[in-house]
Amino acid sequence: ETGVTQTPRHLVMGMTNKKSLKCEQHLGHNAMYWYKQSAKKPLELMFVYSLEERVENNSVPSRFSPECPNSSHLFLHLHTLQPEDSALYLCASSRKGPGTGVDGSEAFFGQGTRLTVV
Amino acid sequence: DQQVKQNSPSLSVQEGRISILNCDYTNSMFDYFLWYKKYPAEGPTFLISISSIKDKNEDGRFTVFLNKSAKHLSLHIVPSQPGDSAVYFCAAPDNTDKLIFGTGTRLQVFP
Repeated sequence: ETGVTQTPRHLVMGMTNKKSLKCEQHLGHNAMYWYKQSAKKPLELMFVYSLEERVENNSVPSRFSPECPNSSHLFLHLHTLQPEDSALYLCASSRKGPGTGVDGSEAFFGQGTRLTVV
Repeated sequence: DQQVKQNSPSLSVQEGRISILNCDYTNSMFDYFLWYKKYPAEGPTFLISISSIKDKNEDGRFTVFLNKSAKHLSLHIVPSQPGDSAVYFCAAPDNTDKLIFGTGTRLQVFP
C-alpha cells in the first residue's frame, strides 16, 4: 500500500471515447501531479496541483483535462486521444507543492494506469 | 534539452557484487537529487536523496555520491540482491521544485 491509489490499472480506449483516470492519496499531502511515462523517454510532468489549484500545465494538449476536487483526489479526463498517447500515466503526491523548498518535495507515486489508445 | 541524463539504459550485476548507477545533470542550479526505484507495473518509489552541501549519503546498502564539479552523481548498491532488480531513476527538483527525471537504468541482479 503506497498511499497513492490509481484506478483503473489498465485501460483500452478508442480514439472517439471519453474516459477518466482517478487518483486518490491518503497521505495528507498538499500537492498532486500527473506524469506520463513513455518507453525510453524521461518521465514527463503534465499537471501540478497545489492546495487544489492548478499551478502548472506543461503544454499538454487539451484532450487531457485534469480535475482536482479536493486535496485527496485527482482526475485526468481523456477525450479524442491519439494512438501516440498510449503510455503509463502516473499520479504522485508530495507533502509540499512546487516553490516551497525541497524539503517535502519527495513525490510518492501510484502504481499507474497503463493506457492503450486504439 | 534533457537536464538529467542516465546514459546507461541497462546494467547487469551478479548477486553480492556492487551495482553502480550513474546520473549526469546539466543545470548547475540543481542542489538536491533523488533516486527512485521502479518495479514493473508499479509507480516509482523514493529510495534515497542527497543535498548539494554533501558529497555522500548512505542508507543501509544504498549510498549516493555527488560530484558537483563534474555534475555527476552515482548510486551504489552493495551487496546487490536479486530483489534490487528494477528500473532506477535519478531526479532533481528544478527552480520551481518540480522533479525532473532521467530516462532510467534497468538493473538486473542475477544469482
